[in-house]
Amino acid sequence: DADVTQTPRNRITKTGKRIMLECSQTKGHDRMYWYRQDPGLGLRLIYYSFDVKDINKGEISDGYSVSRQAQAKFSLSLESAIPNQTALYFCAPNHLAGVTDTQYFGPGTRLTVL
Amino acid sequence: KNEVEQSPQNLTAQEGEFITINCSYSVGISALHWLQQHPGGGIVSLFMLSSGKKKHGRLIATINIQEKHSSLHITASHPRDSAVYICAGGNTGNQFYFGTGTSLTVIP
Repeated sequence: DADVTQTPRNRITKTGKRIMLECSQTKGHDRMYWYRQDPGLGLRLIYYSFDVKDINKGEISDGYSVSRQAQAKFSLSLESAIPNQTALYFCAPNHLAGVTDTQYFGPGTRLTVL
Repeated sequence: KNEVEQSPQNLTAQEGEFITINCSYSVGISALHWLQQHPGGGIVSLFMLSSGKKKHGRLIATINIQEKHSSLHITASHPRDSAVYICAGGNTGNQFYFGTGTSLTVIP
């Protein structure tokens, strides 16, 4: 969806490095989510935010942190990257209507940790 | 055991065939979504269902709330339908349970 951008789209980094993945959306959605996708596994929730002052951990938040700088921006940081964080990461803005509304996803960031 | 199970995991079909992908869920949900993930990785929403049936072009999605089961059908399949199809259930807490996806390849 062109209204959701993620940067970088691809990144190769080394173990122990700090890395930030950024997400911006122009859809005006209040809620934003970060997921990771691994081969053979479903999308798994890392963190989510219902508004700028609200941050919530998902099922696999260990090793990650987030920042909601504005309604339109939600960043995911890996404090000290490790190889098992190699995955495809998706940002997903979501309307206040939540699960009964169309779901949007960013184009994804492919992260490789060596 | 995953809250959302899809079958089959992989599917190869000849162009023109009718395709069915199944999704069963074991948790209470408010809505069931079907997503399509292109080979490049991008994910788009195909359908959101809370009951009954929806149709969009050659795609049809159905849900049986009592049986906790949904199906995605593709009629007259085409190579451009080749993608991973993901089923996701959304609960009243506005969180999703995702299936692991069905990888579809349509051969010309």
